[in-house]
Amino acid sequence: DTAVSQTPKYLVTQMGNDKSIKCEQNLGHDTMYWYKQDSKKFLKIMFSYNNKELIINETVPNRFSPKSPDKAHLNLHINSLELGDSAVYFCASSRGTREYEQYFGPGTRLTVT
Amino acid sequence: AQSVTQPDIHITVSEGASLELRCNYSYGATPYLFWYVQSPGQGLQLLLKYFSGDTLVQGIKGFEAEFKRSQSSFNLRKPSVHWSDAAEYFCAVGPQTDKLIFGTGTRLQVFP
Repeated sequence: DTAVSQTPKYLVTQMGNDKSIKCEQNLGHDTMYWYKQDSKKFLKIMFSYNNKELIINETVPNRFSPKSPDKAHLNLHINSLELGDSAVYFCASSRGTREYEQYFGPGTRLTVT
Repeated sequence: AQSVTQPDIHITVSEGASLELRCNYSYGATPYLFWYVQSPGQGLQLLLKYFSGDTLVQGIKGFEAEFKRSQSSFNLRKPSVHWSDAAEYFCAVGPQTDKLIFGTGTRLQVFP
């Protein structure tokens, strides 16, 4: 049983396209996150939702829009993709914020050509 | 501002040797500290965490870490490294503002 799953695992697309990445967790957690890992492995948080409410929104271009239809799902939609968006995007979840450890999905490698 | 420093970008050890990965943090209060491991092409897996109490914490896969407040450090150790331990290791601190701050990672290479 996969705890945090993401689809697709790989995504290759051209500049200017719009794409979505989906995330689902079956852990019953209240909080979900999106992280971006660049080519140097630097991991930075983008968004966080708690009970479908946005609680963290880092300095991310407006082209990125998260959507949480329910507690178990957090999707990431990216408009007008740019070369610099190429990265690995990780979804994560935790029981709550602060002192709870986060469980990560396998990642989605996005390549923009 | 919160920050995490992992001074070693890349470490190489022989299988069976001991290991210590360094992590220093900057934080205004008692931090929550984590070590995660990322195997090639995989997501991050939690190795261990420190919230409070005993400063020596045990984790999975034979890893342990020690919180030293005076040195603002949370170094990860393993007495005998296995080839399967080759991976990227991330230290993280948080979260007064509901988010984790990750270090830049240390890549561990293990030679037979």
